[in-house]
Amino acid sequence: GAGVSQTPSNKVTEKGKYVELRCDPISGHTALYWYRQSLGQGPEFLIYFQGTGAADDSGLPNDRFFAVRPEGSVSTLKIQRTERGDSAVYLCASSLGAGVGEALHFGNGTRLTVT
Amino acid sequence: EDQVTQSPEALRLQEGESSSLNCSYTVSGLRGLFWYRQDPGKGPEFLFTLYSAGEEKEKERLKATLTKKESFLHITAPKPEDSATYLCAVRTHTGRRALTFGSGTRLQVQP
Repeated sequence: GAGVSQTPSNKVTEKGKYVELRCDPISGHTALYWYRQSLGQGPEFLIYFQGTGAADDSGLPNDRFFAVRPEGSVSTLKIQRTERGDSAVYLCASSLGAGVGEALHFGNGTRLTVT
Repeated sequence: EDQVTQSPEALRLQEGESSSLNCSYTVSGLRGLFWYRQDPGKGPEFLFTLYSAGEEKEKERLKATLTKKESFLHITAPKPEDSATYLCAVRTHTGRRALTFGSGTRLQVQP
């Protein structure tokens, strides 16, 4: 079956520009997560959606980062005034529900490079 | 603050040479410990969930075990296709749904 889909797979942008990263979760999955992964590190939590609402946005590094999930399916991570330090792989994951044992299913990520 | 530490950072094995990867955690009440495999350029792929000390789970050449302070991922007679980064993550009693990940162990199995 179809897994989590992320587009684009690669994005190169100039410092100061605005970018949007898209995530299509597995059909029927109500929970959606965004993570950021730097080279040689594990994924770092950014934000979690349950349905349409952001249930936990405590991982967003500052107010340049924002994410939406207006219809409870597709999500978009938006980064304003990008900085070189934002360069990383942005991973999206989804899970069927919010149970304690629910494993996250990840997409292959968007590699963002800010020049 | 929840902490997850994985060791070693990198491990090189010969094909057939068994070994173990370690994940130690300091958390305020463990609700689940997760192991993932990540291949270069791919997202993490779920392997196991462990819930309580003494629990073990197996899949092919991999076996995960859990104590009150750490988890081990044992790899028996590894093959080159087992080469990947193995990530450990925890979910805790803080009520936070998100997983907290360690930095991973990069495993290379040489033929």
